[in-house]
Amino acid sequence: GESVGLHLPTLSVQEGDNSIINCAYSNSASDYFIWYKQESGKGPQFIIDIRSNMDKRQGQRVTVLLNKTVKHLSLQIAATQPGDSAVYFCAEWAGTYKYIFGTGTRLKVLA
Amino acid sequence: GAVVSQHPSWVICKSGTSVKIECRSLDFQATTMFWYRQFPKQSLMLMATSNEGSKATYEQGVEKDKFLINHASLTLSTLTVTSAHPEDSSFYICSAKDGTGTDTQYFGPGTRLTVL
Repeated sequence: GESVGLHLPTLSVQEGDNSIINCAYSNSASDYFIWYKQESGKGPQFIIDIRSNMDKRQGQRVTVLLNKTVKHLSLQIAATQPGDSAVYFCAEWAGTYKYIFGTGTRLKVLA
Repeated sequence: GAVVSQHPSWVICKSGTSVKIECRSLDFQATTMFWYRQFPKQSLMLMATSNEGSKATYEQGVEKDKFLINHASLTLSTLTVTSAHPEDSSFYICSAKDGTGTDTQYFGPGTRLTVL
């Protein structure tokens, strides 16, 4: 079936460095993607989204890149801070009022 | 804007009892709400999609008679776990879409259910 997966389950980054979290998706018809941040014991928090007619979108300290050719999505966090420590999920809009979530990547920020 | 709340945030119950979890959209009307469950260190698993005024659509493998969903108004959906057992212990999260046509869904803070 269709799936969205992440390459790395855990990412450790030094405070102040940039973080890159990757995601692969398999549904070539998907046209909307979202990155969520989830802290322990809390619900997912919207970070940034991108539609398939774009290949890059920037927010505050975050950038999402979309490569439709290889069906790859990435989230870049600039100047990573301790507060960025969380699990990050990519989600794919399957077009049937249903999101498909990836397995998640835990980001650990080292002081 | 786009705030979704859940109540309770944590509930502990005895095996065999039923538990109701509420999901509310506080500042927008949610035509569609979603219910997820999440086990520790795992991703979110969609359980069902509910549209206001109609029956919920359950994902494959989710028992509709065990997980009763009611979406009676544009700001409230409820999930009732009937005859709960320890294996139902999980983190239940709802999300909501507004009716403006955007695809973004907003998540509630989650409800942790522990069944003894």
